[in-house]
Amino acid sequence: RKEVEQDPGPFNVPEGATVAFNCTYSNSASQSFFWYRQDCRKEPKLLMSVYSSGNEDGRFTAQLNRASQYISLLIRDSKLSDSATYLCVVTQRGADGLTFGKGTHLIIQP
Amino acid sequence: EPEVTQTPSHQVTQMGQEVILRCVPISNHLYFYWYRQILGQKVEFLVSFYNNEISEKSEIFDDQFSVERPDGSNFTLKIRSTKLEDSAMYFCASSAEGLAGIAKNIQYFGAGTRLSVL
Repeated sequence: RKEVEQDPGPFNVPEGATVAFNCTYSNSASQSFFWYRQDCRKEPKLLMSVYSSGNEDGRFTAQLNRASQYISLLIRDSKLSDSATYLCVVTQRGADGLTFGKGTHLIIQP
Repeated sequence: EPEVTQTPSHQVTQMGQEVILRCVPISNHLYFYWYRQILGQKVEFLVSFYNNEISEKSEIFDDQFSVERPDGSNFTLKIRSTKLEDSAMYFCASSAEGLAGIAKNIQYFGAGTRLSVL
């Protein structure tokens, strides 16, 4: 099982700012890509899937660069409630287990 | 909204004892998974299960681990003889069947069972 690398942070960002973080994955056979969010001592929750063409969901934008094996997440107009750990996740096929990065810890400050 | 349910939320056991962690996946899902997360570390895949058999397992999932779907709703993870290093949060997840019998790739996670081995 190949690896997913993320900057662990923490990223300390003022409320309302834009923040971006990214991850790299080593398995070139990876086919599906996700950002999950994990609050302290809670389960991972799907934030968004990441598509090759890039995709946006409200204040969140995800990008995928298959050639560089790089995934990014941009959060605009950050809210206090965005404080969490953001997990970069990849998998090869639909039924495969997910490979998680260690996560990037984001702290939004008032 | 349907959800994955796990019991108990916290399990304390003595080293060497057997534990069974229980999960009720989302009702129309056919693919089931167990993951673990040691405190401060990343979420790690243990095993996937489909059609009453293991479809994939990681190197962590050694002979002390087993999974079972004893009835139409429960999915269990058994740890035969617990070690101190088995202390972790264990998450169950499930996903639906998509087109042509292939799993949809979005997995939904339960709230987890915190296992403490003393």
